[in-house]
Amino acid sequence: DTAVSQTPKYLVTQMGNDKSIKCEQNLGHDTMYWYKQDSKKFLKIMFSYNNKELIINETVPNRFSPKSPDKAHLNLHINSLELGDSAVYFCASSQVRRTNTGELFFGEGSRLTVL
Amino acid sequence: AQSVTQLDSQVPVFEEAPVELRCNYSSSVSVYLFWYVQYPNQGLQLLLKYLSGSTLVKGINGFEAEFNKSQTSFHLRKPSVHISDTAEYFCAVRPRGAQKLVFGQGTRLTINP
Repeated sequence: DTAVSQTPKYLVTQMGNDKSIKCEQNLGHDTMYWYKQDSKKFLKIMFSYNNKELIINETVPNRFSPKSPDKAHLNLHINSLELGDSAVYFCASSQVRRTNTGELFFGEGSRLTVL
Repeated sequence: AQSVTQLDSQVPVFEEAPVELRCNYSSSVSVYLFWYVQYPNQGLQLLLKYLSGSTLVKGINGFEAEFNKSQTSFHLRKPSVHISDTAEYFCAVRPRGAQKLVFGQGTRLTINP
């Protein structure tokens, strides 16, 4: 069983479209994250949710909206896609309460290409 | 604010040679330290972590790292590399009490036969 799974793995779309990426973790963790990896491999945190509550919201355009229906799921919706949104988006989870080591478990990534 | 600097963007090494990937960080508070590996077209996988205690940490695949508080470094080493070690390696820090993991820019390790 995959611990952190993302869908879709690949997404090719036109500028101006709206798209969503879904993430699910079966590790029982209380915190989930979205990271963006650009073409130079740099990883930057976008959002983090702890038990469905938004706790980290970095400087990300309003076109990006995360949603966490429960602590095992964190989705990312992107409106009005732009060329610069092309990247690999990684979902991750961690158990913060009780252990608090912050070790992240990553999904395999969703490669978004905006044409 | 915390930052992580990986001093080499690319490291080419011959197979069976030793390798060291360098990582320095800055933080005003104590931190947890991590090394992750990313194989082509895959997600990140934890290699090893330093939380407390012994400054020499052993991880998977024969890697180890040493925490040096005075030099604020956490260099990754392997005594003899294999072709399968070709990947991107990321150093990361998390300040104690914070939720966010901050990553370095990554080091591409290329193993030549």
